[in-house]
Amino acid sequence: EPEVTQTPSHQVTQMGQEVILRCVPISNHLYFYWYRQILGQKVEFLVSFYNNEISEKSEIFDDQFSVERPDGSNFTLKIRSTKLEDSAMYFCASKDLTSTDTQYFGPGTRLTVL
Amino acid sequence: RKEVEQDPGPFNVPEGATVAFNCTYSNSASQSFFWYRQDCRKEPKLLMSVYSSGNEDGRFTAQLNRASQYISLLIRDSKLSDSATYLCVVAANFGNEKLTFGTGTRLTIIP
Repeated sequence: EPEVTQTPSHQVTQMGQEVILRCVPISNHLYFYWYRQILGQKVEFLVSFYNNEISEKSEIFDDQFSVERPDGSNFTLKIRSTKLEDSAMYFCASKDLTSTDTQYFGPGTRLTVL
Repeated sequence: RKEVEQDPGPFNVPEGATVAFNCTYSNSASQSFFWYRQDCRKEPKLLMSVYSSGNEDGRFTAQLNRASQYISLLIRDSKLSDSATYLCVVAANFGNEKLTFGTGTRLTIIP
């Protein structure tokens, strides 16, 4: 069964450093998403991406965040200058054109900002 | 009012029992409804979509009441492997739409 993959599984960084989280969505999917989950809290939407542009973003997704699909397979989330409160699990998700809102999630990247 | 509200539990039930979870959502324009399950430190996985007519998948039954903005999940003959956090999830529109998650209900099945 095809699946969404994410790398790295765990990223530790110093406050103020830039991080790039990588995702490989399911190959025929066209909609891509990033969510985050702070430990002990609910999953929160960050951004959705379709046709090489952001289609929606949340209040959390400020100027420190950016997304990119640099090639036909990868989908990345960049945090320019990490803050302590960015520590969370970051999940990538993807969805194809035909399914009605069934988003498939990757295993997540645990980001720890020190 | 929270966008999606669930009883956080925990629910501790014996193996073989029937357990029911409820969820309410605030946005009356919501169009799509789901139950996801999440194991500890893992990603959410789709359990089932929820339709207005109600739907069943094996031991799992989901119901939607649009008038009351209420979603339910029933698990019959619960198994140890059902232990997880159950997430009520809502999307406002069909298509490319963000998912809004509840905080989840923690279920532990006791042997």
